[in-house]
Amino acid sequence: AQKITQTQPGMFVQEKEAVTLDCTYDTSDQSYGLFWYKQPSSGEMIFLIYQGSYDEQNATEGRYSLNFQKARKSANLVISASQLGDSAMYFCAMREDFYNQGGKLIFGQGTELSVKP
Amino acid sequence: SAVISQKPSRDICQRGTSLTIQCQVDSQVTMMFWYRQQPGQSLTLIATANQGSEATYESGFVIDKFPISRPNLTFSTLTVSNMSPEDSSIYLCSARRGFGNTIYFGEGSWLTVV
Repeated sequence: AQKITQTQPGMFVQEKEAVTLDCTYDTSDQSYGLFWYKQPSSGEMIFLIYQGSYDEQNATEGRYSLNFQKARKSANLVISASQLGDSAMYFCAMREDFYNQGGKLIFGQGTELSVKP
Repeated sequence: SAVISQKPSRDICQRGTSLTIQCQVDSQVTMMFWYRQQPGQSLTLIATANQGSEATYESGFVIDKFPISRPNLTFSTLTVSNMSPEDSSIYLCSARRGFGNTIYFGEGSWLTVV
């Protein structure tokens, strides 16, 4: 069964420093997608970055990059130059049924990031 | 990016009542989903809202408790029926457009059952 594991319940980082949020996954599918979302205290889920299982290069979106290590089944999120506004809950998620037009996401338990001034 | 709006954003409900949450997407999407996030927990998929047919429910969720409608490609509703305090959660609508890789979420509906 597919599973997402985030082992860091909480993380602290100093403003302007980089931080890595860990995510490992388990799937028997060859094709899948990996996502990171940010959830501030308001509750909305903000899409950050996507990595497809066949993408050879690590995904990047502005200050966000995804360190994808397929053999290790890890998809860590790297946030560079942390800002106070980055303080939030971060969720790693995986999409099932990649080629069957699926859209269901399986989520990890989340990591709460706090950025210190 | 798709814009997804949900109503209500927050509500306090009496035990035993039902509440319907609306989800409106700004453009046609192929798939819509409803998730529940209980306090301090991660998101769990309730069901896939299928246009023109009955929703597909995940294990542990039933139609009598969470009836879902999707009358067209841009709109869906989730009803939380006969509410109890255990139903206090954030309910989130999400959508995928075509074969795109991004799955978008609405702002969430915070329900508190007293």
